[in-house]
Formats: sequence, C-alpha cells, structure tokens
Amino acid sequence: GAGVSQSPSNKVTEKGKDVELRCDPISGHTALYWYRQSLGQGLEFLIYFQGNSAPDKSGLPSDRFSAERTGGSVSTLTIQRTQQEDSAVYLCASSQEETQYFGPGTRLLVL
Amino acid sequence: GIQVEQSPPDLILQEGANSTLRCNFSDSVNNLQWFHQNPWGQLINLFYIPSGTKQNGRLSATTVATERYSLLYISSSQTTDSGVYFCAVVTNAGNNRKLIWGLGTSLAVNP
Repeated sequence: GAGVSQSPSNKVTEKGKDVELRCDPISGHTALYWYRQSLGQGLEFLIYFQGNSAPDKSGLPSDRFSAERTGGSVSTLTIQRTQQEDSAVYLCASSQEETQYFGPGTRLLVL
Repeated sequence: GIQVEQSPPDLILQEGANSTLRCNFSDSVNNLQWFHQNPWGQLINLFYIPSGTKQNGRLSATTVATERYSLLYISSSQTTDSGVYFCAVVTNAGNNRKLIWGLGTSLAVNP
C-alpha cells in the first residue's frame, strides 16, 4: 500500500516568512511523529500525535513551531517567522504499533 | 534523559566483508529500533528489537536489554548497504512512545 508522503519535497524561503509542511500518514496509523534532521546529524523529536490524545509537544524548539493533525490523519507542521537555523530536513513518520514508517522528508532552506 | 551512543561513528568496508555496529543506551528501554538511512535520505526501519535476536536476510540484530546494548550485524556487505545506520529507543518511563536517537554509524561499502 501507499507509504507516508510529505509535501513539498523541497522548500526555499526567506527569513521571516511562514512555512507549512504537510504529512500524509499511512492509512489507519493512529500515531504520527515529526522529526527534524540537520545536515549530518541524528533525528531530533519535535511532536507526537496519538489518536485523540493531547499531542506530546515537548520537542518543539520554540513557540514559532506548531503542528496540527486534522481528523486523525493529515498533519501540518507550521514554522512562523522562519530563521536560518530552521534549515533542515523535516521528517514525518507514522505507526500503528511500535514500528515507525518514515516519509521522504521536506528539505527546508531559509535564506 | 536517556543517552544513546553508537559506535563506530564511521565505517568503510570492502564489498563482501562483515561488520558489527553497536548501540549502547543508558537506561532501561521498552522499544529499540534499528533504521537505515540511504544516501538519498530515506529512512527504512530494519528491526524492532527491544530484546532477543532477529534476522532478515544478510542483516541480524541482537539486543541484550539487561546489559543495555544492541548489535546490528551486516554480513557479506554490498554497496547498497551504504548509508547511515541509526539506533533509536523508547524508555520505560511514563507512557511515551517518543524515540530517542543515536547519532548513527555512517557506512560506506566500496566495490
């Protein structure tokens, strides 16, 4: 079946602009995760949605970052007033049980 | 918080060689996963292995939870095995499913 998809695949923006990143999880997966990966680094947890429970936002680096998950499916990660240090690959994953399945990521470059 | 350390950080192999990658973690875990990130950035789950041994083709993994380490074995390596191998864990604390990631082992397999 279809895997996790993310859009856009690449995004170049100017410092100070807002960006929205989208994640379509695997159908039926109740858990959805957002991660950030800087060049040559491991993954940094951002936020986790599980069913109808309140999301775990403990990894969001600042109040410029927010995420929503509508109808238990699609999720949008919003970064307001982007800064150059926000440049990274933003990865989304979904799971039904323990194994997480990753999308291809969105490469964000803030000029 | 829990620390996840992977070794070696970098590894270069000749095609056909075998290798062992190690993941040490500082606290008890109820979830450990190994991932491969290919040179194009796609993350693929290799094993969900909080304890015991699993094998999948040329890859196998063993986790000794009581001693807080996991090993990933790659036999008869191929150039397509190149990429970064990540270990990620979820602690036993609380009811979270947030993966904590190591920094990875970067593997290059030469023809």
